[in-house]
Parts: sequence; C-alpha cells; structure tokens
Amino acid sequence: DAGVIQSPRHEVTEMGQEVTLRCKPISGHDYLFWYRQTMMRGLELLIYFNNNVPIDDSGMPEDRFSAKMPNASFSTLKIQPSEPRDSAVYFCASSYIVGGLEKLFFGSGTQLSVL
Amino acid sequence: DAKTTQPNSMESNEEEPVHLPCNHSTISGTDYIHWYRQLPSQGPEYVIHGLTSNVNNRMASLAIAEDRKSSTLILHRATLRDAAVYYCILRDPRDDKIIFGKGTRLHILP
Repeated sequence: DAGVIQSPRHEVTEMGQEVTLRCKPISGHDYLFWYRQTMMRGLELLIYFNNNVPIDDSGMPEDRFSAKMPNASFSTLKIQPSEPRDSAVYFCASSYIVGGLEKLFFGSGTQLSVL
Repeated sequence: DAKTTQPNSMESNEEEPVHLPCNHSTISGTDYIHWYRQLPSQGPEYVIHGLTSNVNNRMASLAIAEDRKSSTLILHRATLRDAAVYYCILRDPRDDKIIFGKGTRLHILP
C-alpha cells in the first residue's frame, strides 16, 4: 500500500484566496483525521471522520475551515478565505481498529504558506 | 483528558541505549500508553503501545511502572535515524481521538 497520500506537498497562496488540501487514506481504514502543526501550538486535531461521517469538528478554528469526506477514499480540507495565520503543516491520518485501539498512519503533510 | 509530562529535549550518543521518560500521574485504569515519533519533515509514526505489562517490538521497548504513573520508551541502540520528536500519549479506548502534546526532541550525537 502507498500509505496516506496528501496533495499538494507545498502550497503558497495569497491572503483571501481559497485553499483546498486533499487526502487519500489507506484502503480499508475507517477513520480519517486532519491535524495542523505549527511551532507555537504543536499538533492540533482539527476534525475526524468515521465511515465518511464527521464525528468531532471541535478543533476546527473557525467557519473559514471546512472538511468533507465524500467517499472512503478521499477527503478535503478547505480554507476560505485564507489568512497568514493559517500558515502551517496540515497532516491527514487514517486508522483502523486494532483491539479497540487505533494506530494512526500519517501522510507526509501539506506545507501551507499564506502570504 | 489525562495529561503526560515529558522532557523538552534529550541527547544521546549513537549506538547507545536511550531511555525516554513520560510521567502520567492522572492515568485512569482504562488508558493505554501510546508512543509516536515524528522524524524531520515527516508525519508522526506509531512506535508502540501498552496497558500494564512491558512491551517489545522491532522498533523499541516500553517499560511501564507498576503503578502506571510513568513509563519509559527504550531505544536499545540509537542510530542517527532515531533523531526525532517522541510523543507519549494516553489513549482511552472509548475515545477515538489521539491528542498530541509537545513531546521530547531527541538528538543523537555521532
């Protein structure tokens, strides 16, 4: 398996533009997580899905952020409009149940820079 | 959420064992102890987890104190490739979320 695939690897955009980050989870995994990482705040959980249904979006910073999972093999995280403070590395992770516990498998991340 | 406390950073020499400590004095009876690590410019990766007994796998060993209020991740023979941030996380199996703390940045000296 190719692992969790994220695209693009790097994104540079101007303030006010819409940004869409993409994630393909590992086949057969029924959980998908979006994290954001900055030097100041570390790794923050934004939202997660189970069987394509959003379960907890309490980590989404504000209404400018939205996430969808239209099917088991694809998810997007959209920021509209983007702001410089959104600059961070965004990670997608997927997991499967192992004895009631999940092991997360992370993608390589998307480095987002908002100018 | 139960909290963990880890040193901000540690150093070790190459080819020597490394013991990474984690304190979790408020751990509940159902919390599992998970360790992940994040290599430079990569996403975190799972290392090991345990509940009460010590655990071994190809990557590391996990030693859990008898009262479960602390644990230690053991890298038996560190290499330069083990330089990473190591996260100790408590997982309640009833909760789907994995919340990461600050972790310990491990530096390996050649």
